[in-house]
Amino acid sequence: DADVTQTPRNRITKTGKRIMLECSQTKGHDRMYWYRQDPGLGLQLIYYSFDVKDINKGEISDGYSVSRQAQAKFSLSLESAIPNQTALYFCATSDRGQGRDEQFFGPGTRLTVL
Amino acid sequence: DQQVKQNSPSLSVQEGRISILNCDYTNSMFDYFLWYKKYPAEGPTFLISISSIKDKNEDGRFTVFLNKSAKHLSLHIVPSQPGDSAVYFCAAYSGGSNYKLTFGKGTLLTVNP
Repeated sequence: DADVTQTPRNRITKTGKRIMLECSQTKGHDRMYWYRQDPGLGLQLIYYSFDVKDINKGEISDGYSVSRQAQAKFSLSLESAIPNQTALYFCATSDRGQGRDEQFFGPGTRLTVL
Repeated sequence: DQQVKQNSPSLSVQEGRISILNCDYTNSMFDYFLWYKKYPAEGPTFLISISSIKDKNEDGRFTVFLNKSAKHLSLHIVPSQPGDSAVYFCAAYSGGSNYKLTFGKGTLLTVNP
């Protein structure tokens, strides 16, 4: 079973709709992240959370909100989706105290806003 | 303002040859660098990293070289295999941070049999 899972894997929605993307992890990591990737661009950080009570904005948080329901779950919401939020969204985790090491990524959610 | 630059969108090499993927950065506060590999329909996976106190790190077929004065790093894959065909992202941590990664745009490597 995958360590970091994302649901849904694909979603098509309309402008103005509320959308929630969910991320779950079984790695036992403290830190979780949401990234967005646009075609031909690198990943940009939307929000990150160091634990359930510690949530922080990343580079491009406008139009997004998050909820850390438990250590293992971190969801990303688009309150009113717009077409330029069409992108590939990745959730990632990392382990505090493990130094400057890797982040583990989920498989991604492809979101299309019409 | 692209702080991590991968100027080659794509690279094609023959199986068995060396693949060299390049990455330049502008932020002198970056002090830890990572390479991620991404296959279609999957998330990025960690490949290799290097601290700014080193100039080379090797792991099997993969070697990363860092030239701090030139703010340049490169990933060498020798020998290249068809299974190495993927998008490769260069990423960097800024000094003191162990959570905020800055990514380049990626380079699509195609290894031809």
